[in-house]
Amino acid sequence: SAVISQKPSRDICQRGTSLTIQCQVDSQVTMMFWYRQQPGQSLTLIATANQGSEATYESGFVIDKFPISRPNLTFSTLTVSNMSPEDSSIYLCSVESEGAGGELFFGEGSRLTVL
Amino acid sequence: DAKTTQPTSMDCAEGRAANLPCNHSTISGNEYVYWYRQIHSQGPQYIIHGLKNNETNEMASLIITEDRKSSTLILPHATLRDTAVYYCIVTTSGTYKYIFGTGTRLKVLA
Repeated sequence: SAVISQKPSRDICQRGTSLTIQCQVDSQVTMMFWYRQQPGQSLTLIATANQGSEATYESGFVIDKFPISRPNLTFSTLTVSNMSPEDSSIYLCSVESEGAGGELFFGEGSRLTVL
Repeated sequence: DAKTTQPTSMDCAEGRAANLPCNHSTISGNEYVYWYRQIHSQGPQYIIHGLKNNETNEMASLIITEDRKSSTLILPHATLRDTAVYYCIVTTSGTYKYIFGTGTRLKVLA
């Protein structure tokens, strides 16, 4: 299993500002994933982040709004840029297990509220 | 990835078995069935997965029909701590792209 730490766990932000969320994993992993969970909704994949390459974004998500860094095999950041109230969500980092099962491990999430 | 259909919500008495169904009629031969749950305000937690054989671990059992078009997650002795949203996901192992549906909100009643 993998232990994933996210910072901040929660924050209240002003409209128009940007916030960077950090994700730290206790082991080296090839792929990291960023999800968004809007209030009362299910999880939606934002992007897949591989070390040493550009992140791959899902439909509806763009790099200018959600820039991602992946400087090494244990760390990634997601920035939510120029925030609006519609960006109020829980943002979750996840990694795939390196074993044969292929299951995902998730962090506890970062709950953002944009005023 | 195949689309899944789950009931919106279910109740279960504490100590009884909770049987959570999932339909995945368009599943293809190399797609696995994964189950996760999300307890309020926490990140999703992996429960179990399978391809075509029934699977059991310390948390649950997974029963997959012979035609693989549906499956059932069984929590053998539900407790109040099992109250959560349960997600059934179908994906190719190694695809790394999970599509979460709306899940089933299970409420375990005392």
